[in-house]
Parts: sequence; C-alpha cells; structure tokens
Amino acid sequence: GAGVSQSPSNKVTEKGKDVELRCDPISGHTALYWYRQSLGQGLEFLIYFQGNSAPDKSGLPSDRFSAERTGGSVSTLTIQRTQQEDSAVYLCASSLPYNEKLFFGSGTQLSVL
Amino acid sequence: GNSVTQMEGPVTLSEEAFLTINCTYTATGYPSLFWYVQYPGEGLQLLLKATKADDKGSNKGFEATYRKETTSFHLEKGSVQVSDSAVYFCALIAFGDTGRRALTFGSGTRLQVQP
Repeated sequence: GAGVSQSPSNKVTEKGKDVELRCDPISGHTALYWYRQSLGQGLEFLIYFQGNSAPDKSGLPSDRFSAERTGGSVSTLTIQRTQQEDSAVYLCASSLPYNEKLFFGSGTQLSVL
Repeated sequence: GNSVTQMEGPVTLSEEAFLTINCTYTATGYPSLFWYVQYPGEGLQLLLKATKADDKGSNKGFEATYRKETTSFHLEKGSVQVSDSAVYFCALIAFGDTGRRALTFGSGTRLQVQP
C-alpha cells in the first residue's frame, strides 16, 4: 500500500476484555515496529520484527501483551485482559531492512473503560 | 541503556521567531540521531538525521548538529511558521549491541506557533 495502515483507528473496550490491533506495513518493508504513546509521554518501544529473525520482545510491558507477524507482512498486537493503564495510542511503523527511516501509521487510539 | 531527554513543552512562539528544542542523549556505542515530527492528525515522519559526530542534519529549514562532546542534538530553525506547529521527537539508534535495536524516542515537545 501507499503507507502503513492501522486498524481500527479507535477502539473502546471494557476492562478485562481482549483486543487485537492490526498493522499492514508498506509492501517490501521487512522491519516492523510497535510503539505505545501514552498521554503526555514519549513513544514506548514494544516489539520489533525483522524478516524471519526472532522478534525483539524486550519492550512488552507484561505477558498480557503479545504480537505476531504472519507471512512477513501483516502484524497483530494482542492485549489480553485489558486494564485502564493500557489506554494509549498504539503506533506501528515499518522500514526497509536495517534502515533507520521509519514510516509510521496513524495509530490506534485504545480506550479501556 | 539508551535514553533521550528533551525539553518539556509546550513551546509557544510567534511567527518568524527563532526556535531551539534541546535534546541530549545517553547511548552505548556510536548512535545515529534523529528528529521526527508529528503534525496534528498525522503519523510521525522523519524530519532529519545525523549519523556521526559533527554531522549536521537539515530539512525544511530545520537543522540539528550531532555534538558528541555534549551528547546533544538540539533542533533549530531561524524563522518558524504557523505550519510548523507540531510535536517534535528526538530519537536515537545505537549500534554495537547484540542486535539492532529499535529507535529510542524522547518524550516529545509540542510547538505552538501563533500568527
């Protein structure tokens, strides 16, 4: 596609529910990143995929968070048993292999009530 | 670990004023440094970068010089416009680790330019 696409753009859920956030990177970009942007905070790194290598999961805040990338393209970030502190904008970015220029999607605004 | 510290906002300026947004970093190895910008309602986009000491990144009238001696990468623009109103993020990626790491971002600085 022309850019990084994320869906949904907004998600409101109840505490304790599971949510799935989707990211469709730019075609040909083998690197894919998930970040979280909380109100008044910077971007918090969550997870990084590079090709077929094992993902760097060092930023995931708890075992309620997981992500997968199917076929080296689309990625899904799953948050189980959501908590109010999970409320944030979840940003996805992609890049060419080992390239420092990231292209960001517009994000998913997650609100946990 | 790697970290980026940038000045808190918001920064409010009048049109044509001089802009400085401070950024300092802590990193292992030899980092590359970046400024990303997020315009209202849009995703982050790369504004400029510098990959080694004394390099100057520039784009759209913005400049930043990689200062290794002060571990800084301050963003400057000589004359801001209303259209520059956005959130600016300083970031780094450091080589020399066991594997490539994702960009480490600062907390962002909101710039508001008034006509």
